Amino acid sequence: DGGITQSPKYLFRKEGQNVTLSCEQNLNHDAMYWYRQDPGQGLRLIYYSQIVNDFQKGDIAEGYSVSREKKESFPLTVTSAQKNPTAFYLCASSIVRGGGTNEKLFFGSGTQLSVL
Amino acid sequence: QKEVEQDPGPLSVPEGAIVSLNCTYSNSAFQYFMWYRQYSRKGPELLMYTYSSGNKEDGRFTAQVDKSSKYISLFIRDSQPSDSATYLCAMSSPNQAGTALIFGKGTTLSVSS
Repeated sequence: DGGITQSPKYLFRKEGQNVTLSCEQNLNHDAMYWYRQDPGQGLRLIYYSQIVNDFQKGDIAEGYSVSREKKESFPLTVTSAQKNPTAFYLCASSIVRGGGTNEKLFFGSGTQLSVL
Repeated sequence: QKEVEQDPGPLSVPEGAIVSLNCTYSNSAFQYFMWYRQYSRKGPELLMYTYSSGNKEDGRFTAQVDKSSKYISLFIRDSQPSDSATYLCAMSSPNQAGTALIFGKGTTLSVSS
């Protein structure tokens, strides 16, 4: 089955700890994204990548880092600099059209991160 | 003014009711309009996709876009308890190289049996 796999489903972070959220897709999509979702806040873009070895900051990148070494994988690290990391994290992917328009996002099932 | 405005609800209706969900936007360059459905603690799934103005129907769901009023709607006919979810509108403009969709904050719908 083609799709986007996020793991783990639940993750707990201790004070001062970095944690990494996994995102893998087998849709052969060029673009991948990380969103953060807080209650009543909607989706906020953290980072996105349109091509391997390249990525751009979204609206709330501070305290987060990413890598894109393979087309299929786009892991997100929540660093100790992110002081309020408790949220639902969503990974998404899309086809990048010629004009750069990135509609039709396909989402993974999410990771709930909580602070111990 | 925010780019996309969406009433968060919650919206509660009885089974069989017609539901109307709406978003307004300010950027006249938007041409791609989507509705996503998100069940609790799950990833959003694409429900409807519309390019530019007009209507699109898929089963019990109808999406409408009125670009002159900068207003989009999603209608659900004969609503079912399984329609209980959060509905997110999303939109984008062409030639936004490297830019993702702009989402509304979502409307929570509850359909009671």
